Amino acid sequence: QLVLTQSPSASASLGASVKFTCTLSSGHSSYAIAWHQQQPEKGPRYLMKVYSDGSHTKGDGIPDRFSGSTSGDVRYLTISSVQSEDEADYYCQTWGTAMVFGGGTKLTVL
Amino acid sequence: EVQLMESGGGLVQPGGSLRLSCAASGFTFSRYWMHWVRQAPGKGLVWVSRINSDGSSTTYADSVKGRFSISRDNAKNTLFLQMNSLRAEDTAVYYCARVALYGGPIDHWGQGTLVTVSS
Repeated sequence: QLVLTQSPSASASLGASVKFTCTLSSGHSSYAIAWHQQQPEKGPRYLMKVYSDGSHTKGDGIPDRFSGSTSGDVRYLTISSVQSEDEADYYCQTWGTAMVFGGGTKLTVL
Repeated sequence: EVQLMESGGGLVQPGGSLRLSCAASGFTFSRYWMHWVRQAPGKGLVWVSRINSDGSSTTYADSVKGRFSISRDNAKNTLFLQMNSLRAEDTAVYYCARVALYGGPIDHWGQGTLVTVSS
């Protein structure tokens, strides 16, 4: 069964970089994932897809400071130059026969 | 601009029913698969159900199978979720979501509608 594992929390200072991880369960290292952002009291927002080869494609209007990458069975979301509005929950998601979400990572901007 | 607008949430007693709607605009609704995803208070996102573009195929999470029914009206650009035999654990914000053409992840979300199941 496919499981996506995320750390529950992360923090970063204004202007610094932060990297989120989404680990695919054993046997699923070839899967692509998507990242979504959910700001407080709002619906989620699609950020990007990240493929197993490390390439990524972003959604419309997503700032350049958001990027994706891969290492083995781990998919990353990096925010460079963190802004106050980036304080949010970040979820990874995969699709196919089943749609699965990771547990989410809460970003606190210091 | 793609817009998804949910409605129909509210307070309902355990065992009751509710019908959620999602009005879509800004894209050719009839070409896209659609999903419902929910989020219990303070918790993460959980997939609920999906429907293919012409409404001929549906799938449900085990937790709602037999109680919830997803449907769509492509002439009115509207997605529905009929929820019966509601339980306290169904309390959540329900989001309507569009999946990218030709398969892929969710690429647009609605703002959500809150369903509270309580006596």
